[in-house]
Amino acid sequence: KAGVTQTPRYLIKTRGQQVTLSCSPISGHRSVSWYQQTPGQGLQFLFEYFSETQRNKGNFPGRFSGRQFSNSRSEMNVSTLELGDSALYLCASSFKRLTEAFFGQGTRLTVV
Amino acid sequence: GIQVEQSPPDLILQEGANSTLRCNFSDSVNNLQWFHQNPWGQLINLFYIPSGTKQNGRLSATTVATERYSLLYISSSQTTDSGVYFCAVEPYLNSGGSNYKLTFGKGTLLTVNP
Repeated sequence: KAGVTQTPRYLIKTRGQQVTLSCSPISGHRSVSWYQQTPGQGLQFLFEYFSETQRNKGNFPGRFSGRQFSNSRSEMNVSTLELGDSALYLCASSFKRLTEAFFGQGTRLTVV
Repeated sequence: GIQVEQSPPDLILQEGANSTLRCNFSDSVNNLQWFHQNPWGQLINLFYIPSGTKQNGRLSATTVATERYSLLYISSSQTTDSGVYFCAVEPYLNSGGSNYKLTFGKGTLLTVNP
């Protein structure tokens, strides 16, 4: 069974640009969550999607958005990139809510 | 929100030694997981353990939910065990549900020397 797949693995963007990251969950999993990891703030929750609806959102500005498709694949978008958005972005999938979460390999975003 | 504290923050061992990592949390939880972050950044699942004891090879974990802590035991450590170990919890809300998000501790950086 394939794990959680995130693309791309690495990304370099310029301040002011926007970026879209993709996450394909484990087959059959319906809940997808996104986390940001930085050296200063650690791992922080961005948002959770279940059945194509955003169910919960962390304390991040509106520049961070996402969506989930009918096949449970998810994308997150960051607009007007800032240097502080440089981070490892991790996606997790679960069979359903309140069950074990499995993480992808992450997308390392560098904003220059 | 819920607070998650991991100790120690750093741990250096010689290969073959045993270790215990601790995770304290400030409120009741629906879910508790232990992860090992590999050098490439991926979080590898170790245990899904909201309560009780589990074992997987040289690793075992115990969560005492009523006392709000969890322990991760690593026996006969190997250099490949090096990395950061995270505890993450999903709090139980007073309303009876969950906020469906994991709150992570700051991690324990384990270094195993040959």
